[in-house]
Amino acid sequence: QSVLTQPPSVSGAPGQRVTISCTGGSSNIGSTYDVHWYQHLPGTAPKLLIYANSFRPSGVPDRFSGSKSGTSASLAITGLQAEDEADYYCQSYDRSLSDLVFGGGTKLTVL
Amino acid sequence: EVQLVESGGGLLQPGGSLRLSCEGSGFTFDDYAMSWVRLAPVKRLEWVSAISGSGGTTYYTDSVKGRFTVSRDNSKNTMFLQMSSLRAEDTAVYYCVRHSGYDQGRWYYFDYWGQGTLVTVSS
Repeated sequence: QSVLTQPPSVSGAPGQRVTISCTGGSSNIGSTYDVHWYQHLPGTAPKLLIYANSFRPSGVPDRFSGSKSGTSASLAITGLQAEDEADYYCQSYDRSLSDLVFGGGTKLTVL
Repeated sequence: EVQLVESGGGLLQPGGSLRLSCEGSGFTFDDYAMSWVRLAPVKRLEWVSAISGSGGTTYYTDSVKGRFTVSRDNSKNTMFLQMSSLRAEDTAVYYCVRHSGYDQGRWYYFDYWGQGTLVTVSS
């Protein structure tokens, strides 16, 4: 059981908008710790997608955006493309565990 | 261009030992804290171990304490993970990752990942 909860899967048609939620608690996201998002295409190196809740590293398209409120965070992808099909993971820090913690991952399927 | 290249994975029996290596390039290696993160077959990511840029501070998740040892040789831009008393639940792809920063016990997010090396523990 992961400390941060994500839906196992989401899907959308090309061009659509999808969101992936990441729900934590008072010892992690709710304690003002930042949330970061990673994209993982199988067989490749995972890639930092969003850092510090809403910032995009250089090279990440602005179709990807992140937000955080209370004990949850969200990743939104607009203008869905076939190459967005991947696993997405959220990550934060948990002060009770003194650990960097991950969500269980969400598989995005582009229909 | 930042590159992280892992090596050393393999198939071994429970109780065995293995040493993973990660060579970094494209950045000043000793300026950065580094970690090992593993992805288990059930697709769960887990932060396993970390080491500060100087090597003076290390971290281990509870399940590997006393069994795994992280180290680095900054003269060779390489980080190591010595794994012993391996268990079936250690089976995973092990990724070498770079932290965006480290400050007095606070490990920042992971900004670069390697391709990973597969460790399979099975009898």
